[in-house]
Formats: sequence, C-alpha cells, structure tokens
Amino acid sequence: DGGITQSPKYLFRKEGQNVTLSCEQNLNHDAMYWYRQDPGQGLRLIYYSQIVNDFQKGDIAEGYSVSREKKESFPLTVTSAQKNPTAFYLCATTPRQGGMETQYFGPGTRLLVL
Amino acid sequence: DQQVKQNSPSLSVQEGRISILNCDYTNSMFDYFLWYKKYPAEGPTFLISISSIKDKNEDGRFTVFLNKSAKHLSLHIVPSQPGDSAVYFCAATFSGNTPLVFGKGTRLSVIA
Repeated sequence: DGGITQSPKYLFRKEGQNVTLSCEQNLNHDAMYWYRQDPGQGLRLIYYSQIVNDFQKGDIAEGYSVSREKKESFPLTVTSAQKNPTAFYLCATTPRQGGMETQYFGPGTRLLVL
Repeated sequence: DQQVKQNSPSLSVQEGRISILNCDYTNSMFDYFLWYKKYPAEGPTFLISISSIKDKNEDGRFTVFLNKSAKHLSLHIVPSQPGDSAVYFCAATFSGNTPLVFGKGTRLSVIA
C-alpha cells in the first residue's frame, strides 16, 4: 500500500523538550517537504529536501531541524528554541526535484504543548 | 509579503449551485498552479492544476481558469455538493523550484 505515513497522529511536548515527528514514504519520490498549518495562516514551508543528504530552509525554519539520511524518511525535530510549536504539521513529497510537480501530502501530526 | 492571496476566508453556496473560489498572485514567474482540498485534521488532497500555457483545465465538476494578465485564477465547482465542504488552498510554483507557495485558504460550506 503506497503512500506517505506520518506518526504520531498527536504529539505532546513539555516545555523545553525536543520532539521528533516522523515522515516516511514508499512512493520512491525524490523531494520531501515539511509544512506547518496554523488557523487562518495557510501552509507555511519549514524545510525541504530535494535529494538525500541535502535540505534547505523554508520560510519558517527557526526552531526546527531535519535530516535526510534515506530517501524514504524525512524526520522533523521541533526544538526547545521553537517558542510556539502548537500547530498541525504536514509532510509532503514530489516525484522529482525541479520542474512542475504536484505535491502529495501525508495525514499530518498535531503537536500540542503541555 | 504574500505572493499568493485568497481574499475570501469563507464562502457559502447552496447545494446544486456553482461555487467559485478565487486566487490572486503577485509573482509573474509562477507558471504552474494547483488547487488542494483539505478536511479538518487531514492532509490536503490534490484537486486540479493548470500550467501557464493554458487558460482552462477541466476535470469532472472542477474547472480551473487562469488569467495571466490579471494574475488571477479561479476554481469553479458545479454542481456543488455537501461533500465539497472543506478548506480550499490555491498554490503556485515555477519551473526548477518545487516548493509550492500557498494561499491562506477559503472555507467552502455547501448548504443542503
């Protein structure tokens, strides 16, 4: 069953804690993305990776970190430096880097601060 | 500075009538435009796209129109159905740069 998996569906973070959101895909897509959705704000790009072992900052990268050690996986760490982490986080993929490509989204992870 | 704007946060339409969702963009380099539909607590799903070499693309009940001179695109849904009630996002990109730029979304409510 091909697709994009995000886990967990809900995640709770304590003050000062780092948490990692998982994104896995078996679509053999080259590029992967992380977005954050806040009410009334649309989707804002955090980080993206067009090939393994390479990634670029998006519009709101501060307080986040990523890695892309495998083509299938693009985990996002929300660090303690992110002062307002409560949001809905979405992972997306596109088949190839560059060009005009449709992005496909995972089901999302909702992060809440305790 | 918002490059993709959806100026109507919400829209209500009666079932069976036409829904028209609008989107404006400022970057003339954009040459590929997409519409996504999103239900609460789910990821967006791709609906329809259009490249800048076309001015219309149709897929079933969904049609997207592009007016390059006005930097405006619209999504028409006809006839509207209650299951169409969702938030619709407009997005844009250009060749060689895959990150999409999204608008803030329009919440469509189709009333039975």
